[in-house]
Amino acid sequence: RKEVEQDPGPFNVPEGATVAFNCTYSNSASQSFFWYRQDCRKEPKLLMSVYSSGNEDGRFTAQLNRASQYISLLIRDSKLSDSATYLCVAPRDSSYKLIFGSGTRLLVRP
Amino acid sequence: GAGVSQSPSNKVTEKGKDVELRCDPISGHTALYWYRQRLGQGLEFLIYFQGNSAPDKSGLPSDRFSAERTGESVSTLTIQRTQQEDSAVYLCASSSLSLTGELFFGEGSRLTVL
Repeated sequence: RKEVEQDPGPFNVPEGATVAFNCTYSNSASQSFFWYRQDCRKEPKLLMSVYSSGNEDGRFTAQLNRASQYISLLIRDSKLSDSATYLCVAPRDSSYKLIFGSGTRLLVRP
Repeated sequence: GAGVSQSPSNKVTEKGKDVELRCDPISGHTALYWYRQRLGQGLEFLIYFQGNSAPDKSGLPSDRFSAERTGESVSTLTIQRTQQEDSAVYLCASSSLSLTGELFFGEGSRLTVL
């Protein structure tokens, strides 16, 4: 099993749609999780952290399910500018060794 | 600017040559990471520095790869006797340990081995 696993997509949705991605992780001791966004041929940038109680930032909501070892990202009211690859991140053993998933590609169409 | 700076941005080399990639992290960031991203793929962890020491080198693909960091600042990733499969974007990121998880990435060094 991969340490951090994501559905590669692409998810092709119309503007205004709600879309959700899941990411599974293998290290049950992991404490901190993150979602990064990567635009084509650009470097990844932090989108949001994932807290045990869930985290909401505008149209974006991140949730953590420790029992099933997955995290999710929900995007409401999709915009064309949301088109990107979304990378799930979890620590391996120590909290400083961060492992990235392969990413889920989102395409928002007009 | 005050971001992570990498050089060269693009490097084309012949198989068998050595290359050196440089990373200037954000000032004051004690943690520095190197990742590799092949075309259309995810980020592959290579090595992580805490200060000048590298507690985890397990991601380096082979003994042709080495990295060092001096003065808790600049880091260099060296690839000896390059092979075509080394072609990728090499991304450097830095982090303040007080903000674990927020990695600030440079724009990467795109390496092409002919």
